Amino acid sequence: DIQMTQSPSSLSASVGDRVSITCRASQSIGFYSHWYQQKPGKAPKILIYRVSILQSGVPSRFSGSGSGTDFTLTISGLQPEDFGTYYCQQTHSIPVTFGQGTRLEIK
Amino acid sequence: DVQLVESGGGLVEPGESLRLSCAASGFTVADAWMAWVRQPPGKGLEWIGRVNDGGTREYNPPLKGRFTISRDTSKNTLFLQMNSLNNGDTAVYYCTTTGGDPVAPQTTYWGQGTLVTVSS
Repeated sequence: DIQMTQSPSSLSASVGDRVSITCRASQSIGFYSHWYQQKPGKAPKILIYRVSILQSGVPSRFSGSGSGTDFTLTISGLQPEDFGTYYCQQTHSIPVTFGQGTRLEIK
Repeated sequence: DVQLVESGGGLVEPGESLRLSCAASGFTVADAWMAWVRQPPGKGLEWIGRVNDGGTREYNPPLKGRFTISRDTSKNTLFLQMNSLNNGDTAVYYCTTTGGDPVAPQTTYWGQGTLVTVSS
């Protein structure tokens, strides 16, 4: 299985900050890296797919980058509604795997 | 709009079976990749398996043999048959799909989830 390791596991930031979450795959996953946001009691919501493509309706402050094994989700200008848990995912190989999650708290 | 509505969750005893349903609207199940993902209380996401638009199914190896994905294209519905359930299967179960978009990941659209609790 491809392991997806996220860092940090949690972070606290202020409104307006630039925040980055990284994800390292245990082997190359090409461009099959995707990012999700989940709020308590809700289903995950896709933010970015295929490394850097912004899902329709997602604010442009969210962006993705990376290649091979190292990927980053960046939030430029953090907003109060951005709290929640963020997950990376790879769909390059079976089984599809997710990172362990990064909990983002707004100060 | 793509919509997915799961049903069939509930409380079951260890060793029992359960079948979950996912009613789809806004797209045709036969033209889409669909998957099941679960999330134990307070924990992360685990992919269970998927069926592609051609009907080919693939599973997470630890669950293969106990869990079976099927679809009824006439009802535009996806199913998850779960057998020999144990406490470790307690989770919210989500149905997901590409919605027929050939570029989108299989987990682009999500249902609201259905809770399965395995306990004696």
